[in-house]
Amino acid sequence: IVMTQSPDSLAVSLGERATINCKSSQSVLYSSNNENYLAWYQQKPGQPPKLLIYWASTRESGVPDRFSGSGSGTDFTLTISSLQAEDVAVYYCQQYYTTRRTFGQGTKVEI
Amino acid sequence: EVQLVDSGGALIQPGGSLRLSCAASGFTFSTNYMSWVRQAPGKGLEWVSLIKNDDSTFYADSVMGRFTISRDNSKNTVYLQMNSLTFEDTAFYYCVREVGNGWFDPWGQGTLVTVSS
Repeated sequence: IVMTQSPDSLAVSLGERATINCKSSQSVLYSSNNENYLAWYQQKPGQPPKLLIYWASTRESGVPDRFSGSGSGTDFTLTISSLQAEDVAVYYCQQYYTTRRTFGQGTKVEI
Repeated sequence: EVQLVDSGGALIQPGGSLRLSCAASGFTFSTNYMSWVRQAPGKGLEWVSLIKNDDSTFYADSVMGRFTISRDNSKNTVYLQMNSLTFEDTAFYYCVREVGNGWFDPWGQGTLVTVSS
């Protein structure tokens, strides 16, 4: 499954909304449990990625509620409702629908 | 605390071999799936390999036939044996635990493999 993110980069003012899109080449919605097999990660410079969201919209414990995930099937969105300085990072989506996991190419978020 | 410590990265010549290790702690290692994910300098994330808790293994096409993932549950350690290395294998290699149905948490700190002549 090929994951394509858009845009590749975006600049957002502090306190404004940031929206990142992720599109999969085939559906990652598993019909038996009606779950979307999609996660989002945040990677800050010099650090390993950090899990933000799984099942497309479930926030990991400790992740601020300004981060939210939405979408279903092949189209997904990560939204940062009010951008903070510490949110500057590269964000990746990842599908786990197939055993061969795949990532999007990443979206760089800047102030 | 759940922790993964990657090691084994080095400068290696093309065609060479290297074995990476990942020591896990803070969780029941034997029941978890483990993967390796790599990131070339300045580039994005690429899933490399997965080993399930039944020892079944899976690989990205880019490393199939050259890399071998294995685990030693008695040592809480997962390995990545890398053979026939090429310049394109230069990357940080992260060990990750798979949680739930396949998301990754946590990530190791990464170990750098540099393939250069």
